[in-house]
Amino acid sequence: NAGVTQTPKFRVLKTGQSMTLLCAQDMNHEYMYWYRQDPGMGLRLIHYSVGEGTTAKGEVPDGYNVSRLKKQNFLLGLESAAPSQTSVYFCASSLVPGQGAGNQPQHFGDGTRLSIL
Amino acid sequence: DQQVKQNSPSLSVQEGRISILNCDYTNSMFDYFLWYKKYPAEGPTFLISISSIKDKNEDGRFTVFLNKSAKHLSLHIVPSQPGDSAVYFCAADQAAGNKLTFGGGTRVLVKP
Repeated sequence: NAGVTQTPKFRVLKTGQSMTLLCAQDMNHEYMYWYRQDPGMGLRLIHYSVGEGTTAKGEVPDGYNVSRLKKQNFLLGLESAAPSQTSVYFCASSLVPGQGAGNQPQHFGDGTRLSIL
Repeated sequence: DQQVKQNSPSLSVQEGRISILNCDYTNSMFDYFLWYKKYPAEGPTFLISISSIKDKNEDGRFTVFLNKSAKHLSLHIVPSQPGDSAVYFCAADQAAGNKLTFGGGTRVLVKP
């Protein structure tokens, strides 16, 4: 059972290059999220989606764009990579909160380690 | 300004003893709290949660305590096992929005 799959696992970019991080989930979850993890700062929410065709900004959205064309996929794009975007990126998905249990735990992928030179 | 803080970046404990991880928050609107566990090169996995209407939630060896007046929660692991060695993150949510605010993490090392 795959759960949440992120590709690629590692990538090195040069400043100014663009790329797209892919996230796929097979749990039929409505909600999907993109986080970045930096040393000592925990995970910070970049963008999230509450359903196919919808996206919204999180805590640190600048420099990133996202798309949710299909329910199972959530794409994170860097249009012009900057060294400050060197980080580990995590995708997560969850059921709709409020359905019986209130908050719904998020299920995470194993991350994409991105270095911008 | 971090709304969720884990002031101990690391913790070392002997196998079989209790591990106590602490977490403080500043936003009084937070009403749901979660703990996640993370191994190297893997994503975080959900461990245990607590709603603000409770002050304790227990699941096997793991117990989370919430002190709303102090804006403080803690995770107790009893007894600690070597497989518990990982980074633990506390996270907070409000109004079932499922938009989590994470603390910086505490690295736990359980010595055999």
